[in-house]
Amino acid sequence: GQNIDQPTEMTATEGAIVQINCTYQTSGFNGLFWYQQHAGEAPTFLSYNVLDGLEEKGRFSSFLSRSKGYSYLLLKELQMKDSASYLCAVSYSGYSTLTFGKGTMLLVSP
Amino acid sequence: DARVTQTPRHKVTEMGQEVTMRCQPILGHNTVFWYRQTMMQGLELLAYFRNRAPLDDSGMPKDRFSAEMPDATLATLKIQPSEPRDSAVYFCASGLAAGGTGNTIYFGEGSWLTVV
Repeated sequence: GQNIDQPTEMTATEGAIVQINCTYQTSGFNGLFWYQQHAGEAPTFLSYNVLDGLEEKGRFSSFLSRSKGYSYLLLKELQMKDSASYLCAVSYSGYSTLTFGKGTMLLVSP
Repeated sequence: DARVTQTPRHKVTEMGQEVTMRCQPILGHNTVFWYRQTMMQGLELLAYFRNRAPLDDSGMPKDRFSAEMPDATLATLKIQPSEPRDSAVYFCASGLAAGGTGNTIYFGEGSWLTVV
């Protein structure tokens, strides 16, 4: 299978840093995506990693280790509006589709 | 502002009724996906098309679900007859399938279906 695992939920405080982990099956790996989904809304694209290392985009960064089948999304200077579900998704060779994890619900409190 | 458009946004229907959901992909995108999202299962791929041809519908219960793309600007997902277990959010998404970051897909707002 192509199980993608991430924690079900996390909580953090406004202004803090939070790291959301994702593990996936490495066979056929062809890229990893992070999406953000606010309650009642569509998932929106956050980041893409295909090579090992850290990709930084403002307050959000995403890291990939292909050999370990591991990624994380790092959110800095948390704001209340960051409360949302964060979905890890993987592209596998030969497929145009993305396989999604079940998402990590992040709750940011004051 | 290019975006994927879905109708209806919300639908409540009785068990046994037919439900049709429609999607207009982003202009120029050649790949269209139908996903279903529930609390228990998360986002599941039902079917997808490239250049209007169906490539994979293995995630779809074929006895009651059907997906078509009559033209490049319209994709449909039909459930007949609907059952309470079909209650979910149905997302349409489109993309370029261009490899790398070109595999990014863009979601519509979703069709919230409740079957009673």
